[in-house]
This record gives sequence, C-alpha cells and structure tokens, in this order.
Amino acid sequence: NAGVTQTPKFRVLKTGQSMTLLCAQDMNHEYMYWYRQDPGMGLRLIHYSVGEGTTAKGEVPDGYNVSRLKKQNFLLGLESAAPSQTSVYFCASARPQTDNEQFFGPGTRLTVL
Amino acid sequence: QKEVEQDPGPLSVPEGAIVSLNCTYSNSAFQYFMWYRQYSRKGPELLMYTYSSGNKEDGRFTAQVDKSSKYISLFIRDSQPSDSATYLCAMTRVFSGGYNKLIFGAGTRLAVHP
Repeated sequence: NAGVTQTPKFRVLKTGQSMTLLCAQDMNHEYMYWYRQDPGMGLRLIHYSVGEGTTAKGEVPDGYNVSRLKKQNFLLGLESAAPSQTSVYFCASARPQTDNEQFFGPGTRLTVL
Repeated sequence: QKEVEQDPGPLSVPEGAIVSLNCTYSNSAFQYFMWYRQYSRKGPELLMYTYSSGNKEDGRFTAQVDKSSKYISLFIRDSQPSDSATYLCAMTRVFSGGYNKLIFGAGTRLAVHP
C-alpha cells in the first residue's frame, strides 16, 4: 500500500498562475484534508472532505478551491497564486471512527514568486 | 492568542538523555490529545494519543495530560539519534458539522546527538 501520495513534490509558480495539487489515498478512507505548514504556525486546515462529492472550508480557505470527485482523490486548486501561498502543503486522510489519527502524505513544497 | 502554544526549540540533547516536550492550551473543549512526529521533509505521523488526564506509556515514550492546568507533555527516555525530528502536539475539538478538528502546535525541533 502506498498510503497517501501527493503530486507534485515541488513547484515554483509566478504570481497569478494557477495550479492543482493532487492527493491520492489507497486506504479507503472517508475523510480527507488539506493543510498548509508555515514556520512558527503549525499545520493549518485549508479544506476538508467527509466523503465523495462533499467538501467544506477549514481554517484558512481563502484563495483555494477543492474537489472530491472520487473517494480516493482530493484536489486542491490555486486559481491565482500569491506569494502568501508559498508554503508546504500536506494532504491527510482518516477513517470516521478514528479521525484523530490522520495519515499524512509527504507534502508539496510550493514557492510563489 | 493561539489556542495551542508550543516552544519551537530547537532542543539539542545527548544520546541517552530524557527529553521533555510540552504544550499548553487555552480551550477547555479539547477532548483528545495527540503527539505527531515529523521527520525532515516528511509528513507527520501519529506517535501517541490520549483522552483523559494522566499518563500513557508506549515503550520509551510517555504522554502526560493535565487538564486542570491545560498542559500536555511528551517524555522520551533513553533518547536516540533516530528520535531527531519535529514533534507536534495536536488536540481535537468538535468542528462545525460534528466532525473532529485537529489543532496543531507549531512543533518543537529535537536533535539528539551521539
């Protein structure tokens, strides 16, 4: 089992460009999450999904959109990237019964110039 | 004020030392308390979690929760160089819709040198 995978691993964007980060999990988890991690800030929840076709806003959703068309995939989109979105992005998944234990992917390092 | 406060370190200790990592929190609604370990350039992984006040032990690791003081700790005995990582405390409270939301501390970077 690969667990949680993220694509791409690294990306550099110019201000105003768009991109999509892909998260895939093979553990048949219902719940999926997108976080960003910045120095001194810890992990902050951007959006989450409790099932296929459903998404909800987290703590810092502005500037991001998400989609969960398939249970195993959770996409994070940046429509018009800004330097403030330079961060490391982590995807995670969990089972509803034990959602305190979230399984994280390896992260995507995004730099916006 | 952040809901969860954690000293970012870095903390540098010799191999074999006892390490104490701590977090304080302000919201008494937090229900579960967790410690995640994050190696450099990797995603966090769950190390331990506990629900009630008191101690929980797992090998060389002991998690301690004091709800009255809103304080949690992770102790590492006989620390090894392989313990060098960032340790994130996390706590859950019920989010809108009835789902649990994890609130993370900023993480403490630990280096164990031989």
